[in-house]
Amino acid sequence: SQELEQSPQSLIVQEGKNLTINCTSSKTLYGLYWYKQKYGEGLIFLMMLQKGGEEKSHEKITAKLDEKKQQSSLHITASQPSHAGIYLCGADFGYSTLTFGKGTMLLVSP
Amino acid sequence: DVKVTQSSRYLVKRTGEKVFLECVQDMDHENMFWYRQDPGLGLRLIYFSYDVKMKEKGDIPEGYSVSREKKERFSLILESASTNQTSMYLCASSSRWVGAGGDMETQYFGPGTRLLVL
Repeated sequence: SQELEQSPQSLIVQEGKNLTINCTSSKTLYGLYWYKQKYGEGLIFLMMLQKGGEEKSHEKITAKLDEKKQQSSLHITASQPSHAGIYLCGADFGYSTLTFGKGTMLLVSP
Repeated sequence: DVKVTQSSRYLVKRTGEKVFLECVQDMDHENMFWYRQDPGLGLRLIYFSYDVKMKEKGDIPEGYSVSREKKERFSLILESASTNQTSMYLCASSSRWVGAGGDMETQYFGPGTRLLVL
């Protein structure tokens, strides 16, 4: 079974709407990373969360890690076409490598 | 800014050919990683390296080997390319982790190499 589940797999939102992407772990995380990928390109680092209950924001993107450190959410406020892409979460389970979710494809319609 | 470069953006090879994918980072990072990314399967770790001449198998090492002769360069080798190795290959690098729960440093990714094996 997958250690890290992302939902939804894909999402189409109208420009200006808010949206949330979730990343759920089967076990406690040491840390959680969020990345964005434009189609056919490499991953761009967005944010890293380490502490239970931690929340970070950058421009219109907010990421949270729950108190139990098993679930993270990425929230985009007032989405824009520039937000379109694939969002991936990566988990540090203490193996010194990251385990990635399968990604959420976001399309923003005008 | 950290820069991770990969030798080719697109590559077309024939079955049975030996293929070299090169990755170079300019931030003196200790750790380097090779992943492949496939639709529906996400990002999967092939090999990683903690230091020069050191390598560790990831989740899917079969059919691949790696080489790290210099700190800044990590090569992925497909000894005899097969059609099921058609994929997007991503290289990444990071500073050394202190340990689980300790100081962490994110992985920085290259632009990717899209490999087609015919």
